[in-house]
Amino acid sequence: KAGVTQTPRYLIKTRGQQVTLSCSPISGHRSVSWYQQTPGQGLQFLFEYFSETQRNKGNFPGRFSGRQFSNSRSEMNVSTLELGDSALYLCASSSSNRTGGTEAFFGQGTRLTVV
Amino acid sequence: GQQVMQIPQYQHVQEGEDFTTYCNSSTTLSNIQWYKQRPGGHPVFLIQLVKSGEVKKQKRLTFQFGEAKKNSSLHITATQTTDVGTYFCAGPLTTSGSARQLTFGSGTQLTVLP
Repeated sequence: KAGVTQTPRYLIKTRGQQVTLSCSPISGHRSVSWYQQTPGQGLQFLFEYFSETQRNKGNFPGRFSGRQFSNSRSEMNVSTLELGDSALYLCASSSSNRTGGTEAFFGQGTRLTVV
Repeated sequence: GQQVMQIPQYQHVQEGEDFTTYCNSSTTLSNIQWYKQRPGGHPVFLIQLVKSGEVKKQKRLTFQFGEAKKNSSLHITATQTTDVGTYFCAGPLTTSGSARQLTFGSGTQLTVLP
């Protein structure tokens, strides 16, 4: 079955702009999580959605937001981009609706560069 | 908050040598997962350990979960160039309800010299 699909793969944006990233989870997976990966901070949790509801949120400013649609596809939005937002944004889907317990399947990520 | 620390940050080995990375959590974990990320790639799930003291093997890879469920290790025997990448451990952060959040270690970047 198809894996997690993230679009676009690469983005270059200017400071102050906003950006929307998209994630299509594995068919049947209802949990979608987003992570930011940078060389300095590693993999950091942004938020998790399950059945269109945000269940958990990491320690990121309100400029970072997301949503999930009825087909489980998810989007994340970053407004008023800053240089420090340059990172690889990873989406992960999971079939579990319990805390932990099952693996996360990651997409290939969206490489965002803010100039 | 919960922290997951991983050492070493970098490891260079000659092909054929063994490699070990260690993971320590500030809190007891219900389970621990290991992921591998190849250069330019994305994290790929390797294994999950759930029981105290659990040991699992995948060919040349041996994974251990500590008795207190706060530490774990990954050992690779006789490394090959295909083992190159960054290895991450990750533990679920227990929150209220059924929310799911993985806290990742900082990763160990393995370089294998031919």
